[in-house]
Amino acid sequence: AQKITQTQPGMFVQEKEAVTLDCTYDTSDQSYGLFWYKQPSSGEMIFLIYQGSYDEQNATEGRYSLNFQKARKSANLVISASQLGDSAMYFCAMRGFFMDTGRRALTFGSGTRLQVQP
Amino acid sequence: NAGVMQNPRHLVRRRGQEARLRCSPVKGHSHVYWYRQLPEEGLKFMVYLQKENIIDESGMPKERFSAEFPKEGPSILRIQQVVRGDSAAYFCASSPPGQGVNTEAFFGQGTRLTVV
Repeated sequence: AQKITQTQPGMFVQEKEAVTLDCTYDTSDQSYGLFWYKQPSSGEMIFLIYQGSYDEQNATEGRYSLNFQKARKSANLVISASQLGDSAMYFCAMRGFFMDTGRRALTFGSGTRLQVQP
Repeated sequence: NAGVMQNPRHLVRRRGQEARLRCSPVKGHSHVYWYRQLPEEGLKFMVYLQKENIIDESGMPKERFSAEFPKEGPSILRIQQVVRGDSAAYFCASSPPGQGVNTEAFFGQGTRLTVV
């Protein structure tokens, strides 16, 4: 089974500051991927960043970086230089692999609502 | 290059009616996933389909819900005899063929179902 835990229901950050959104996971799969999605108030799901379980370096995509600590089973999202447009729900998700039918569907956490203040 | 298309965007049904939600995946994608999102909650996995096959339906309620992904045409999530508790946003996502865990899932805009 796969489980994602996001312990921060809501976060505030000042514009231009950095913010870290926490994510821990649990899985028995040897190979898995970790994803972060953004959901603005309009409702669509926007892919932000991906980290593979065997990737040695932390993933980065523009202002987004993923602080991957495999031993701690954590995959925190860091947003640098926050902008007002970053205000949204952020979801951590993972996908594993099982022998019978291959890769699993994404499992999502409960999300963190980020509000960027001017 | 169209993304995942879901329709309708908004659907209102009276209790007891049927709801049909459609999802056209990205062209060339053979894997479709359905998720349900209640207000202020995360996405809950419902079902994972490949063309003409259900791979994982562990998240589907045992009654009233069914899903298909035929060889031709969109994937359909069908809810029979809807109740107020079915009101939610239903998201469809698709992925290309292959077994890589790094494969991103592309999401549609969702269908907001309201049961009155």
